[in-house]
Amino acid sequence: EVQLLESGGGLAQPGGSLRLSCETSGFNFKTYAMSWVRQAPGKGLEWVSAIDNIDGHGTHYADSVRGRFTISRDNVRNTLYLQMSSLRVDDTAVYYCVRPRSSVPYTRYFDSWGQGTHVTVSS
Amino acid sequence: DIRMTQSPSSVSASVGDRVTITCRASQDIRTSLGWYQQKSGKAPNLVIYSASTLESGVPSRFSGSGYGTDFTLTISSLQAEDVASYYCQQTDSLPLSFGGGTKVEIQ
Repeated sequence: EVQLLESGGGLAQPGGSLRLSCETSGFNFKTYAMSWVRQAPGKGLEWVSAIDNIDGHGTHYADSVRGRFTISRDNVRNTLYLQMSSLRVDDTAVYYCVRPRSSVPYTRYFDSWGQGTHVTVSS
Repeated sequence: DIRMTQSPSSVSASVGDRVTITCRASQDIRTSLGWYQQKSGKAPNLVIYSASTLESGVPSRFSGSGYGTDFTLTISSLQAEDVASYYCQQTDSLPLSFGGGTKVEIQ
């Protein structure tokens, strides 16, 4: 069974930092590209960032977070990360770790989602 | 960037009714379109991918169609358990983008 377990959310001040983690199990993590998707309170879904499989050298970001967030992965620990810096009030959201339905490159339909971790940015 | 526009933003229908949700892309995305169902307080679930392929385990009353810029999600006979918000997503190019969502309720 595929499992994605996010952690690291919480309260941060504007301008502050948080590091989200997503521990995975039940599948061959290193062969899948992975992404983060967020959802602000009462709002829709927003793709945040993606990282390619294996070496993870390919990283991609939404314009809203580029230059402030960094996605990374540890293929030994089967864990995905999102380092968030220069946080803004509008980064407040539930952050989901997501896996595509196939390890075939450029497959971007997400069939596995974590339970989400809440990030609140407020002074 | 590709913008996804969904309509209506909400729909209220009776059990057994046919419900149709539309999604329009700001440029041609061929069949690179998925649909997600999100029940209150839960993570989304993939319902349809590649515009018309039903995800494993999803009831056959759900169907998708469309090509290019215009797409639809249809629930052929609405059931109480289908109450949820539904989102379309384009996967044609990065940045990936979602529609604004459609809330489906029982009348």
